[in-house]
Amino acid sequence: GNSVTQMEGPVTLSEEAFLTINCTYTATGYPSLFWYVQYPGEGLQLLLKATKADDKGSNKGFEATYRKETTSFHLEKGSVQVSDSAVYFCALKTSNNQGGKLIFGQGTELSVKP
Amino acid sequence: DTGVSQNPRHKITKRGQNVTFRCDPISEHNRLYWYRQTLGQGPEFLTYFQNEAQLEKSRLLSDRFSAERPKGSFSTLEIQRTEQGDSAMYLCASSPSGTTHNEQFFGPGTRLTVL
Repeated sequence: GNSVTQMEGPVTLSEEAFLTINCTYTATGYPSLFWYVQYPGEGLQLLLKATKADDKGSNKGFEATYRKETTSFHLEKGSVQVSDSAVYFCALKTSNNQGGKLIFGQGTELSVKP
Repeated sequence: DTGVSQNPRHKITKRGQNVTFRCDPISEHNRLYWYRQTLGQGPEFLTYFQNEAQLEKSRLLSDRFSAERPKGSFSTLEIQRTEQGDSAMYLCASSPSGTTHNEQFFGPGTRLTVL
């Protein structure tokens, strides 16, 4: 079946460190891939997306590249800030799913220390 | 605020009671989704509406769960005879129809605690 696997957290980094959160997926067809972020006390927000192989999604200094050959969509940021502390969710939508339901990974908590 | 709203934000109930949650989507969005999120896990899909039609239901949605969207605007999710295993955050999201790439906008969720 379709699924998403993320690296386990929590991830603790110092401010200005480099961030990578790994995400791999299993899906039929050609899924669209997403990263959502959940800040403390807030709802899920879309961070970035990529809809086809080799696409790079980017937003707020975060990037992720859709790698079909490795079925991965790793999230990266060159220099994290304290305000990036949140839970990050990788998700997919399959191309044959007209309803567009999202399938999420388990989430990775990021804590950035000053 | 024109985002997705959910009420109540918190609900504490005793096992065996019925509860109902409400979701108001972004007004021009005709797709509405319900998800459930337990502690330390990602959201899991429950059901989805296109306008007033419920087009897909997850196997997670047992016969104690029912969702409606009677006029294609707000939606309710009812859980009958609640069990402790129903304790979770219930999330609602909405999106415009069109391509499957459209972003889903999430509400803040309703946290249910079943004692």
